[in-house]
Amino acid sequence: QVQLQESGPGLVKPSETLSLSCTVSSGSISDFYWSWIRQPPGKRLEWIGDIHYTGTTKYSPSLNSRAAISLDTSRNQVSLRLDSVTAADAAVYFCARSPVTTYSKNGRDHIWPGAFDSWGQGSLVTVFS
Amino acid sequence: IVLTQSPDSLAVSLGERATVNCKSNQSLLYSSNNKNYLAWYRQRPGQPPKLLFYWASTRESGVPDRFSGGGSGTDFTLSISSLQVEDVAVYYCQQNYERPFTFGPGTRLEIK
Repeated sequence: QVQLQESGPGLVKPSETLSLSCTVSSGSISDFYWSWIRQPPGKRLEWIGDIHYTGTTKYSPSLNSRAAISLDTSRNQVSLRLDSVTAADAAVYFCARSPVTTYSKNGRDHIWPGAFDSWGQGSLVTVFS
Repeated sequence: IVLTQSPDSLAVSLGERATVNCKSNQSLLYSSNNKNYLAWYRQRPGQPPKLLFYWASTRESGVPDRFSGGGSGTDFTLSISSLQVEDVAVYYCQQNYERPFTFGPGTRLEIK
């Protein structure tokens, strides 16, 4: 069974860059989508963005282009970089996996992320100076 | 897409039925494949969310059959037919119909 484990510094200063990694074990990065999702204390889950194993990325507009997600297939890792952090970025950060699903539109098949079927335990990030 | 859930919290006696509602401000039904892009998760304290249902009503492997998911379009439900102690958690709905993917605010389920 696949396991996901987030890692990274738990403390980040305002205006600095947050960098997190997610190591995937007992499974391959290939043939899936990989997302970063965060949960501020007492708030709902917020999707940050995802990356298809081919490298295509999509992000939530709410991050104002501050987020970047990448893959390192040699290390079986998915990484998140978040620039110019503020107190509002304090949260537990999860990586999560989605299967690749397909749908048809205008006679052509397209791929699309399924639901998040595996999650890491989460990495708590605190922002303070 | 904005998802709302009701109730915010719910206290149910052991062995009784619990129902959580999720409403979307737009349809999550994709007509070409007749699938609703709505998932349900359970999150216990200190743990990550766990997938319960996808396509609104397809049970994830290993999820007990006392759980059921239903609904279509904009209105969805998650039901637990006979509440067990281990079901105490927060339950979230989530749409993957379009990006940015969004979650509901959660429903806290407790034992009465």
